[in-house]
Amino acid sequence: DAKTTQPNSMESNEEEPVHLPCNHSTISGTDYIHWYRQLPSQGPEYVIHGLTSNVNNRMASLAIAEDRKSSTLILHRATLRDAAVYYCIRNVNFGNEKLTFGTGTRLTIIP
Amino acid sequence: GAVVSQHPSWVICKSGTSVKIECRSLDFQATTMFWYRQFPKQSLMLMATSNEGSKATYEQGVEKDKFLINHASLTLSTLTVTSAHPEDSSFYICSYMGLPQTYEQYFGPGTRLTVT
Repeated sequence: DAKTTQPNSMESNEEEPVHLPCNHSTISGTDYIHWYRQLPSQGPEYVIHGLTSNVNNRMASLAIAEDRKSSTLILHRATLRDAAVYYCIRNVNFGNEKLTFGTGTRLTIIP
Repeated sequence: GAVVSQHPSWVICKSGTSVKIECRSLDFQATTMFWYRQFPKQSLMLMATSNEGSKATYEQGVEKDKFLINHASLTLSTLTVTSAHPEDSSFYICSYMGLPQTYEQYFGPGTRLTVT
């Protein structure tokens, strides 16, 4: 049970921002929201994570709803290399907690 | 980020043989690691969790006698698929939690196993 819901696929034009939504309506107060992405034929890579506040890093931004029941991963300027499957995962951030991957969102970037 | 390697990157074997997949962390020591399996066009499914020096904990439905995991050191873990069958053909991916424990898992590039 991935406990998150994401659209199966999305498309975006190159060099435009992309907003990838995720619903986690049953999230508990101690669950973190993690985003990983998987490029074709590769292992996943970490993108970003957060708890309550919006977060920014060099790869993306994470906007978390005030009630924490949803979040949005924002790629500010999509490139062709951002084409991947993006996974939104909730888990207790105690370090060793196993990650349960859902089906994710397959992002296609249109040149 | 941390670097994790897997060897081999792909392997083809005959039904009934065994295959060993290595997973190495190249620049950090890891006490906890995970093995995942991914079938075509599907998501990753966790197979087992192991801590260095102890036995692995397998997920429900994963046969521990078929998928042997050895986490003998902080930088090396191995997965051996014993008596492989075509239905074991899949993409096998390892990941580590680094020391000290962080919010991020580091994944290997994966090993594609094809059993003929």
